[in-house]
Amino acid sequence: NAGVMQNPRHLVRRRGQEARLRCSPMKGHSHVYWYRQLPEEGLKFMVYLQKENIIDESGMPKERFSAEFPKEGPSILRIQQVVRGDSAAYFCASSPLVLEQFFGPGTRLTVL
Amino acid sequence: LAKTTQPISMDSYEGQEVNITCSHNNIATNDYITWYQQFPSQGPRFIIQGYKTKVTNEVASLFIPADRKSSTLSLPRVSLSDTAVYYCLVGGDQTGANNLFFGTGTRLTVIP
Repeated sequence: NAGVMQNPRHLVRRRGQEARLRCSPMKGHSHVYWYRQLPEEGLKFMVYLQKENIIDESGMPKERFSAEFPKEGPSILRIQQVVRGDSAAYFCASSPLVLEQFFGPGTRLTVL
Repeated sequence: LAKTTQPISMDSYEGQEVNITCSHNNIATNDYITWYQQFPSQGPRFIIQGYKTKVTNEVASLFIPADRKSSTLSLPRVSLSDTAVYYCLVGGDQTGANNLFFGTGTRLTVIP
């Protein structure tokens, strides 16, 4: 059973471009979570999704950020018109119906 | 959601037992306590989870007093590879809403 997969592992964008981060949960997991981590800081919850539904997006910035988890395919975290402050590591986690979350390796976004 | 407080950093020599205590005074009745480990440039990894008393697995032990307002992660005979950040989280799995908040964690440095 493959673990949580994220791609790309590294992403470089110029200010104003769009960033798309993908997350494939573990097989059988229907819950996906996205977190952001700045250097030397802890993870900050962004959004929690189940298939085709956003359950909790209280950690998502109100503008430019969106997330989806379609019926087929990976979960996508989309950042429009990126700014330098968006540079961070973005982690995705998945879980079955229990509290244990399995994290992916993360995507490191660098905004030039 | 219950907030947690844990030491920012700890140092330990190889072979010693390390105890990291986390305070969670506002823990709710149906909250679980979960600990994660994170190495640099990797996603967090689940270590152990408990509700009350003591839980032990092949990696660590978790001690939870009767009032559940704190918990202690115990790592027996640490090695250099245990150098990592350890996060204490408190949360419940109510109606599918499961957003675990990671603080800054405790940075454990194991010294040879």
